[in-house]
Amino acid sequence: QVQLVESGGGVVQPGRSLRLSCAASGFTFRNYGMHWVRQAPGKGLEWVAVIWYDGSNKYYADSVKGRFTISRDNSKNTLYLQMNSLRAEDTAVYYCAKEVGALEGAPHFDYWGQGTLVTVSS
Amino acid sequence: SYVLTQPPSVSVAPGQTARITCGGNNIGGKTVHWYQQKPGQAPVLVVYDDSDRPSGIPERFSGSNSGNTATLTISRVEAGDEADYYCQVCYSASDWVFGGGTKLTVL
Repeated sequence: QVQLVESGGGVVQPGRSLRLSCAASGFTFRNYGMHWVRQAPGKGLEWVAVIWYDGSNKYYADSVKGRFTISRDNSKNTLYLQMNSLRAEDTAVYYCAKEVGALEGAPHFDYWGQGTLVTVSS
Repeated sequence: SYVLTQPPSVSVAPGQTARITCGGNNIGGKTVHWYQQKPGQAPVLVVYDDSDRPSGIPERFSGSNSGNTATLTISRVEAGDEADYYCQVCYSASDWVFGGGTKLTVL
């Protein structure tokens, strides 16, 4: 069965950095696009970033562009999110999510991890 | 950026039908997906490609999409359906959008 397990969250001061990881299993990781989606406390879902199956393309929400970097290691079945210059408004639960395959419908997420909480506070 | 608008809350009695809307400019020309999120849990896909259901999702969940409104319909609502529901569209490769979410309350 598909499993996505995030790690790396915690409390960090404004302006500092943090790297999140998402360990994937139960599917052929290298064949699928992967995303990060976040949810601030008591708020809705916000898409953060996507990386294509082979890492050839990466796209970001305007709110994180220039500060966050998404990457993947297909040999380790792991997705990453490097977060720099963190702000209070980046406080959220960060989910990694698997994108469906091209033949499985219009782009959407079929599996999500349980999330990791990032708190940006002095 | 494309904007999806959902009502903040919808309330329905058990056994009745709940309809949750998702508004967007010509959303009928796009493909909409719906997620259910219960407190403290990750989102779960309940409808994809406007009206298809993933395996394991009850037939009580259905979707439609036309004009400027997509709708998630939950028939014969149960207490266990109480959750937040989000619509989602992939507007472009670099623009993935969620609606603001609707809290479904079962009275």
